[in-house]
Amino acid sequence: GQSLEQPSEVTAVEGAIVQINCTYQTSGFYGLSWYQQHDGGAPTFLSYNGLDGLEETGRFSSFLSRSDSYGYLLLQELQMKDSASYFCAVREGRGKLQFGAGTQVVVTP
Amino acid sequence: NAGVTQTPKFQVLKTGQSMTLQCAQDMNHNSMYWYRQDPGMGLRLIYYSASEGTTDKGEVPNGYNVSRLNKREFSLRLESAAPSQTSVYFCASLWGREVGNEQFFGPGTRLTVL
Repeated sequence: GQSLEQPSEVTAVEGAIVQINCTYQTSGFYGLSWYQQHDGGAPTFLSYNGLDGLEETGRFSSFLSRSDSYGYLLLQELQMKDSASYFCAVREGRGKLQFGAGTQVVVTP
Repeated sequence: NAGVTQTPKFQVLKTGQSMTLQCAQDMNHNSMYWYRQDPGMGLRLIYYSASEGTTDKGEVPNGYNVSRLNKREFSLRLESAAPSQTSVYFCASLWGREVGNEQFFGPGTRLTVL
């Protein structure tokens, strides 16, 4: 079957580093994306990996290993505003995205 | 640019009632999507339209119909609402490039079916 697995919740203090892992099993694969969603808000795009390796965007980095069907999102220098849900999503073709269930990141002072 | 807009923002229906959720984008995107998100869950694809004039079923299409009215607009219809359709509905659009994967989401419609 098709599935994306990610931890349900991660708690960390301000200034810390958090890594959110995502493993996937899907019928097609054209890339792995990450989205952020604050409570009551819409998902917003964070990053995309089409090829193996690390992509860095400011405090956030994302990694992909296609041979391992695995990726992660790294949040550095955590800030209170980073408290949100983070979703990995696999592009399956024709723009279709399959989303994981999301990881709730709780940042404490 | 307004991006992706959705109407209404909130809606309460009784079981068996029908309604249409409206979505429009002003970014000249080719592809449009309808998702539902249940509490504590990820987004599940209901229907999508890869280009004007085409629609395809997603993961959870039962109980829904869609219309891609033109390039800008993609509507979702519930013919006979059921309590199991209580959810937050998001519309999204994508330019359609082969590289990059950024879907732009609307603010959502919060639907309650009693």
